[in-house]
Amino acid sequence: AQSVTQPDIHITVSEGASLELRCNYSYGATPYLFWYVQSPGQGLQLLLKYFSGDTLVQGIKGFEAEFKRSQSSFNLRKPSVHWSDAAEYFCAVGAGGAQKLVFGQGTRLTINP
Amino acid sequence: NAGVTQTPKFRVLKTGQSMTLLCAQDMNHEYMYWYRQDPGMGLRLIHYSVGEGTTAKGEVPDGYNVSRLKKQNFLLGLESAAPSQTSVYFCASSYGYAQYFGPGTRLTVT
Repeated sequence: AQSVTQPDIHITVSEGASLELRCNYSYGATPYLFWYVQSPGQGLQLLLKYFSGDTLVQGIKGFEAEFKRSQSSFNLRKPSVHWSDAAEYFCAVGAGGAQKLVFGQGTRLTINP
Repeated sequence: NAGVTQTPKFRVLKTGQSMTLLCAQDMNHEYMYWYRQDPGMGLRLIHYSVGEGTTAKGEVPDGYNVSRLKKQNFLLGLESAAPSQTSVYFCASSYGYAQYFGPGTRLTVT
């Protein structure tokens, strides 16, 4: 069965610093991979997605993610974080029919001024 | 274009009461989903629908029922609420495998 692991429950970075959030997946075939962001009290918003092709994917708000098949990873990166990036981030993998997704447990990002 | 909307935003129920959560989408998506979100557990799929008139069980369906009488609406029902159903409920619709989420309903069962 498909699964997603986000090893870091909580990460704190300083404003202007670079960011990398880790995501590892378990899936037999080529996965469909996603990153979502959830601001406090809000629903989830799609940041970016990977289906095939170029392994470096650009998303909204200056985020990018890199698919590495050999490491079963899909890490999210941003060169310089802003205070408004404080939120919870979820990695997800496509899970078979009906376009279902399996989500990781999330990583909460705190930004220090 | 409102996207995905959910009604109500907040609700407090007593144990044993019933209620229905409404999800509506105006994007003409075939697939719709109900999730619950609990601290440290991410999102778990309750039920989903692949089109009007269809429903199917997800990962945690017990205690919930759903209906999809119209393509744009997906209803989640709790027949006899229990404290374990205290959670934040999210509805989503999907196109091309990308899911679009509503703002959520915070439900407390006392």
